[in-house]
Amino acid sequence: EAGVTQSPTHLIKTRGQQATLRCSPISGHTSVYWYQQALGLGLQFLLWYDEGEERNRGNFPPRFSGRQFPNYSSELNVNALELEDSALYLCASSSTGRDTQYFGPGTRLTVL
Amino acid sequence: QKEVEQNSGPLSVPEGAIASLNCTYSDRGSQSFFWYRQYSGKSPELIMSIYSNGDKEDGRFTAQLNKASQYVSLLIRDSQPSDSATYLCAVTGMIKAAGNKLTFGGGTRVLVKP
Repeated sequence: EAGVTQSPTHLIKTRGQQATLRCSPISGHTSVYWYQQALGLGLQFLLWYDEGEERNRGNFPPRFSGRQFPNYSSELNVNALELEDSALYLCASSSTGRDTQYFGPGTRLTVL
Repeated sequence: QKEVEQNSGPLSVPEGAIASLNCTYSDRGSQSFFWYRQYSGKSPELIMSIYSNGDKEDGRFTAQLNKASQYVSLLIRDSQPSDSATYLCAVTGMIKAAGNKLTFGGGTRVLVKP
């Protein structure tokens, strides 16, 4: 069974640009979660999508947004990039009604 | 007070010994508890979950949960150099609307010395 996949592996942007990160959940999983892991700050919850709807978001500004597609894959968009947005962005998925989350390999975003 | 607290380490353990990792959480209504292992530069890998008070064993790993004390621990028996990693404690809260959002501790770095 394929795990959670994310693309791209690495992304380099300059301040002010927009970044788009993509995630495909484990087959059969309907929930997708996004987390940010910045150096020295630990893993922080960003967004939760389930059945195509945004269900919850963490304490991040509105320039962090995303969506979930009918095939349950998801996209995270970060607008007006700032230097402090440099981090490892992790996507996780879980099946409906279950709380065990499995993580993808992550996308490392570097903002110059 | 942080929601989930772990000693950052490093916890240095001789090969073959038992590594003992601790985690405390502030939300008394927390329902589910997880341990993840994260190698440097990699993503978290699920080790095990625990939901009820007591012990849960899976191979060389044993998780222990005490909800009254708001405490969860992980024991790694017969530690191997390949166990050298950061171990993350994660907790889901009691608020249904929050869904299964995981709140992570800062992680404990474990070093197993041959």
